[in-house]
Amino acid sequence: DVKVTQSSRYLVKRTGEKVFLECVQDMDHENMFWYRQDPGLGLRLIYFSYDVKMKEKGDIPEGYSVSREKKERFSLILESASTNQTSMYLCASSYIGQPQHFGDGTRLSIL
Amino acid sequence: GDSVTQMEGPVTLSEEACLTINCTYTATGYPSLFWYVQYPGEGLQLLLKATKADDKGSNKGFEATYRKETTSFHLEKGSVQVSDSAVYFCALSDRWGSQGNLIFGKGTKLSVKP
Repeated sequence: DVKVTQSSRYLVKRTGEKVFLECVQDMDHENMFWYRQDPGLGLRLIYFSYDVKMKEKGDIPEGYSVSREKKERFSLILESASTNQTSMYLCASSYIGQPQHFGDGTRLSIL
Repeated sequence: GDSVTQMEGPVTLSEEACLTINCTYTATGYPSLFWYVQYPGEGLQLLLKATKADDKGSNKGFEATYRKETTSFHLEKGSVQVSDSAVYFCALSDRWGSQGNLIFGKGTKLSVKP
């Protein structure tokens, strides 16, 4: 079974902090994705990566950056956290053209 | 651009009732279509998929048929159980896209009462 592991289930940070969310997959997938999930809005793509050191902006990249130094790890970075970034963050991975597999999510609160 | 529209919830049913969650899409090209399910406190899991017109995806008693003429992919189950209570997401992916990006509907919350 594919395992996508997000480093924290719950995280509380303060406004202005730099926040790192980590995601690791164990299936050698080329593609990795970061989404945020908000009530009434569904899932929105923040960034994705189709190879090591490659990244592409999704629909809502503002205020975020990403890092993919190794194939199995994809990090989401909130450069200066703000309260409107309080959300559920979901990481996913996939082979090219195949369904995505999701982690359990990180519920992030920015105070 | 491509988009997915699914019926708004919440949907509340009694156990053993029939379920239909409507999903329609707008896409250029020939998308693959998916239903994902999210149980409370968990991430999304792939429930079923269909990659071309008239394909029927099925899993755990759920079914959905890819209807190109009506651009729809409605999720159905003949007899729901309490354990089916979850949020269901319809999604599409441009099958020719190399990255396999998904576009999701907003989700439909299903509650099944005993």
